[in-house]
Amino acid sequence: ILNVEQSPQSLHVQEGDSTNFTCSFPSSNFYALHWYRWETAKSPEALFVMTLNGDEKKKGRISATLNTKEGYSYLYIKGSQPEDSATYLCASLRSGGYQKVTFGTGTKLQVIP
Amino acid sequence: DSGVTQTPKHLITATGQRVTLRCSPRSGDLSVYWYQQSLDQGLQFLIQYYNGEERAKGNILERFSAQQFPDLHSELNLSSLELGDSALYFCASSATRLAGVRTGELFFGEGSRLTVL
Repeated sequence: ILNVEQSPQSLHVQEGDSTNFTCSFPSSNFYALHWYRWETAKSPEALFVMTLNGDEKKKGRISATLNTKEGYSYLYIKGSQPEDSATYLCASLRSGGYQKVTFGTGTKLQVIP
Repeated sequence: DSGVTQTPKHLITATGQRVTLRCSPRSGDLSVYWYQQSLDQGLQFLIQYYNGEERAKGNILERFSAQQFPDLHSELNLSSLELGDSALYFCASSATRLAGVRTGELFFGEGSRLTVL
């Protein structure tokens, strides 16, 4: 894989449901994988910075895992709330100088009350 | 507040014109990135600077140019504007090292919305 790909493109879930999305990225020259949360009319904010294969990060109801060998990361949201509605972006950083950062197109999550 | 400042927040101009967007990174951040978000599109990487030098180039048009100054602020110059250049332009900065730990996390400004009529 050469680009950063995210799936699904969009997702509607009911309040209280748990959900997860996928980020696929180039595994060669891996440096770091970022997850960002992007609310409408705001700017993206970092959720997680992940660097090690097997990393698991958690912030409240949101967690992420990382597999650098196969080039994927999962983001999980447990018990979705309406305030979780946002676009979730992942970004791949590859080594070789000064961290070229490539974003996926994001997964747009809407949590229905 | 991310600490990254972009000006102007909104800009309306005509085709053929030239504009300059300005970005002040977080204090101490050496890397500045520029991204373009067109309608219903994701973040398209334009260009990256590190401590005044261009480090990576994405899908930046020849009509666009950027630079990072000694005080680390950056400017994105867009010339011969076309209708399709209407977009939200984000600047982000990052610290290569934070207290000895490499992070690379990007901090985004609020964006400059450019409308070309």
